[in-house]
Amino acid sequence: QQQVKQSPQSLIVQKGGISIINCAYENTAFDYFPWYQQFPGKGPALLIAIRPDVSEKKEGRFTISFNKSAKQFSLHIMDSQPGDSATYFCAASSTTASKLTFGTGTRLQVTL
Amino acid sequence: GAVVSQHPSWVICKSGTSVKIECRSLDFQATTMFWYRQFPKQSLMLMATSNEGSKATYEQGVEKDKFLINHASLTLSTLTVTSAHPEDSSFYICSAREREWKETQYFGPGTRLLVL
Repeated sequence: QQQVKQSPQSLIVQKGGISIINCAYENTAFDYFPWYQQFPGKGPALLIAIRPDVSEKKEGRFTISFNKSAKQFSLHIMDSQPGDSATYFCAASSTTASKLTFGTGTRLQVTL
Repeated sequence: GAVVSQHPSWVICKSGTSVKIECRSLDFQATTMFWYRQFPKQSLMLMATSNEGSKATYEQGVEKDKFLINHASLTLSTLTVTSAHPEDSSFYICSAREREWKETQYFGPGTRLLVL
């Protein structure tokens, strides 16, 4: 019940296109859903996060869509750029258990 | 703001020796710090949660006598890999949670450990 399933495993998008990464969770106690970006050899960096009281959150080119009934959330990267090429991890946690449960990661490559 | 540093960034050691990795929150106080391990092309695996001034809580399957964690202050946690072996070679990453913002974890840049 602690799993967070992430798809796709890898993604190739042309420059200017939209990158979409999906995650699904099982634990209904989860109430915090962050997305992290990780470049090779670096630690993850927080991109954007959402709580289940809203269905969408946008920060610049990054948008999280959240579907509480389906227990799914997704990251949309608009106008994808080569500099966005990285591995993206979704995660989830609950206020009662502070630790994050990570998805398996998506390797995004944005081509010219 | 919310910067977490790790030292060293990489370390090579001989099998059987111990290695200490430091994790510091530079501009905030962190009541809770987390230690993760990441293998190539894999996700982050939580090893343990450390709270300032108390014993760390280890995840199932993580040997607490091998991976010693100390969280002596609100800005510093250390992970010591004791009697390291080649299978301990990995990328170790810490994260810290601000006192006021319970959910958000800020990650350090990671430490790459190679045990020969």
